[in-house]
Amino acid sequence: AQRVTQPEKLLSVFKGAPVELKCNYSYSGSPELFWYVQYSRQRLQLLLRHISRESIKGFTADLNKGETSFHLKKPFAQEEDSAMYYCALIPPGTYKYIFGTGTRLKVLA
Amino acid sequence: SQTIHQWPATLVQPVGSPLSLECTVEGTSNPNLYWYRQAAGRGLQLLFYSVGIGQISSEVPQNLSASRPQDRQFILSSKKLLLSDSGFYLCAWSTGTSGNTIYFGEGSWLTVV
Repeated sequence: AQRVTQPEKLLSVFKGAPVELKCNYSYSGSPELFWYVQYSRQRLQLLLRHISRESIKGFTADLNKGETSFHLKKPFAQEEDSAMYYCALIPPGTYKYIFGTGTRLKVLA
Repeated sequence: SQTIHQWPATLVQPVGSPLSLECTVEGTSNPNLYWYRQAAGRGLQLLFYSVGIGQISSEVPQNLSASRPQDRQFILSSKKLLLSDSGFYLCAWSTGTSGNTIYFGEGSWLTVV
């Protein structure tokens, strides 16, 4: 069965420190992968997607097919990065988005 | 531009009462529509999705049902609420092409008392 695993419920880092939010997935093929973010009092929104291969707000995510991972990284965390982050996948040819359990990132001053 | 609205934003209902959460999308046609429940420690759980009018896929057997009476309207219902139905419900949409971005509404807080 398809599954997305985010092992950390909470990640606390100091401002200026590197950040890595882990995401592992279970799928035998090549799914489309996303990171979504939910800031306080805002709706859940797209941060970035694998197919775009872009950096958004300094965040990047690299797909490692061998390790079936799609970790989210940022070299220098900022306080405004504090939010809930969800990793998600969708198997090709389907409309069913599968989300992980989420990781709450707290960036400390 | 496309927008998604869901209501009510908050709802307090007694056990055994019915439920109706509504969601509409504007600015697009034939969207895929979704209902998710967001719970602490359990992430986003897909409840239902629909690829067209009258087409509903249920992902989790439970006390809820969904309907799509119009192209851009998606309704989450229950005949008799349970305490365990309390939670944060999110409506979402995506375009008809598989793999595209999914967009979320602002959510509805349901408290069953």
